[in-house]
Amino acid sequence: KNQVEQSPQSLIILEGKNCTLQCNYTVSPFSNLRWYKQDTGRGPVSLTIMTFSENTKSNGRYTATLDADTKQSSLHITASQLSDSASYICVVTNKGATGNQFYFGTGTSLTVIP
Amino acid sequence: DAMVIQNPRYQVTQFGKPVTLSCSQTLNHNVMYWYQQKSSQAPKLLFHYYDKDFNNEADTPDNFQSRRPNTSFCFLDIRSPGLGDAAMYLCATSRDRGENQPQHFGDGTRLSIL
Repeated sequence: KNQVEQSPQSLIILEGKNCTLQCNYTVSPFSNLRWYKQDTGRGPVSLTIMTFSENTKSNGRYTATLDADTKQSSLHITASQLSDSASYICVVTNKGATGNQFYFGTGTSLTVIP
Repeated sequence: DAMVIQNPRYQVTQFGKPVTLSCSQTLNHNVMYWYQQKSSQAPKLLFHYYDKDFNNEADTPDNFQSRRPNTSFCFLDIRSPGLGDAAMYLCATSRDRGENQPQHFGDGTRLSIL
């Protein structure tokens, strides 16, 4: 069964600290893995998209890693800011016969406190 | 500047009373998606349009319909909303159906059912 699991479900960190969010998946075949940031009451915003051949990609203070062999990804946030408080969603794309299938994780809720 | 615009941001309707949610885009993208996101859950794809070609997800209830009169606009019609249809509805676009195309989300319409 194609699934995407994220951990932890929620996380509270102090401003300025680093953190790492995890995403494990069983989706096959694999096309790409995406990380989104979703602020409360807003739509998701794309942070990174990684294909099979990419094992790391950065977007400012966000760095995503991908291990396609173990089917794991992580999102590392450096020097966290209050504005990083949001839900972070991992999405794995499977290019099926009838088109793209997007498998969403349920997200990690991050709260950054002063 | 908002590129995917959803109106209204908040919609209240009565049980069983038809409601229409709208989405417009200034990106001239070929693909438009509608997602349903319930509280603390991942977005669930309802259907998408590739140009004028409508693609329904297998488990999308018949109660949900969509129209795309032109490239810029797409509508979600809920014919007889039930209490279980209360959710955030997200519209997204992508340039085409290539599996590595990023999706651009609107900020959603939060639908409440009385």
